[in-house]
Amino acid sequence: GAVVSQHPSWVICKSGTSVKIECRSLDFQATTMFWYRQFPKQSLMLMATSNEGSKATYEQGVEKDKFLINHASLTLSTLTVTSAHPEDSSFYICSARVRESGTDTQYFGPGTRLTVL
Amino acid sequence: AQSVTQLDSHVSVSEGTPVLLRCNYSSSYSPSLFWYVQHPNKGLQLLLKYTSAATLVKGINGFEAEFKKSETSFHLTKPSAHMSDAAEYFCVVRYSMFSGGYNKLIFGAGTRLAVHP
Repeated sequence: GAVVSQHPSWVICKSGTSVKIECRSLDFQATTMFWYRQFPKQSLMLMATSNEGSKATYEQGVEKDKFLINHASLTLSTLTVTSAHPEDSSFYICSARVRESGTDTQYFGPGTRLTVL
Repeated sequence: AQSVTQLDSHVSVSEGTPVLLRCNYSSSYSPSLFWYVQHPNKGLQLLLKYTSAATLVKGINGFEAEFKKSETSFHLTKPSAHMSDAAEYFCVVRYSMFSGGYNKLIFGAGTRLAVHP
């Protein structure tokens, strides 16, 4: 299957600082990528849909000014958590959609563990 | 409303015995169905997918799932569990935009599989 990478795999930052997470599709081009958040022992929650060359589409309740998404190329999307606070600590997972055998399939990155002190 | 239900939050089996993880979805026109596995602190790995071709779908690591429209089910099975199968499993459905859905992935709550020696 297609490979999606994330960087960094974990990050610790101080409250009030900003953190950028990168998501890359390694062996395919992705016009659409997704950002999810996962709390401990819970399922994934879709935060936003990232479209190459256009503005991201945010889910209800997700602050677009706090979670900045940029999809500048067909292989890279970035999520920037601005003015991070301890409640932003979570596991962030990106996903890229690829068309395979006439069906859209999403492949997921390994996730980024964010801890805000 | 479109939804997916994983009937068991936890399943525990002995190594070498069969695995059954249950999943039901709300009825809709031509859903795409997926099973993903997540090991601790890792991203999601695609096990298999159903896309209206064969109703019995074979995936990686010996897993398979059968799409039963009459029962609106897509249960995941494996004949013989291995210790390395211990993980969280997510049943995921995507309803097409043509069915009134939103072409987004809808996640089940997850089933934690424990495998004992």
